[in-house]
Amino acid sequence: GQQLNQSPQSMFIQEGEDVSMNCTSSSIFNTWLWYKQDPGEGPVLLIALYKAGELTSNGRLTAQFGITRKDSFLNISASIPSDVGIYFCAGLDSGGSNYKLTFGKGTLLTVNP
Amino acid sequence: GAGVSQSPRYKVAKRGQDVALRCDPISGHVSLFWYQQALGQGPEFLTYFQNEAQLDKSGLPSDRFFAERPEGSVSTLKIQRTQKEDSAVYLCASSLALSAGVAFFGPGTRLTVL
Repeated sequence: GQQLNQSPQSMFIQEGEDVSMNCTSSSIFNTWLWYKQDPGEGPVLLIALYKAGELTSNGRLTAQFGITRKDSFLNISASIPSDVGIYFCAGLDSGGSNYKLTFGKGTLLTVNP
Repeated sequence: GAGVSQSPRYKVAKRGQDVALRCDPISGHVSLFWYQQALGQGPEFLTYFQNEAQLDKSGLPSDRFFAERPEGSVSTLKIQRTQKEDSAVYLCASSLALSAGVAFFGPGTRLTVL
């Protein structure tokens, strides 16, 4: 199936640092989504992006939908210990099916207090 | 409850056993999705329901996998003759709208096949 390339695979940072992760695809998506997953829980939606070039913020999170519709990035500013978890990008609406999410493999974020 | 619930949360099965995983979506949600998440991977699409109709089952790995949602609410994912490679977390999500982009995920069922 389709693959999203998400990087980095893992990050270990100090509290207060900024974080950046990104996702690329060989296919075009009409919607990009970023999720956070804590151990033993399902993914929780952080930010949704619906238009190429769109830049959206949610508190300390900022995400952008690439102009080519084949990439997206997520920034977290001033990280705190509760930011620890796995972050996933996901694409939607490829080929017109708005119900099938394609996920990346995730970025494991560890924040050292 | 307010969110999507799944049961059991953990299931251990011997190879060859049949298992049934239950999903209780948020009340009134039209769309229901099942995803499979292998260790260290992102979730992968299995199947999609709109009310009681299964509109896409293209992600089901084999004919041992079967999903149903007979009354358009609770859904069950059944795996027959489980194999070791079926070990994964099975996630259910539901959405008020047709799009998966606004769906809420449940906590998942972790299936381990010995």
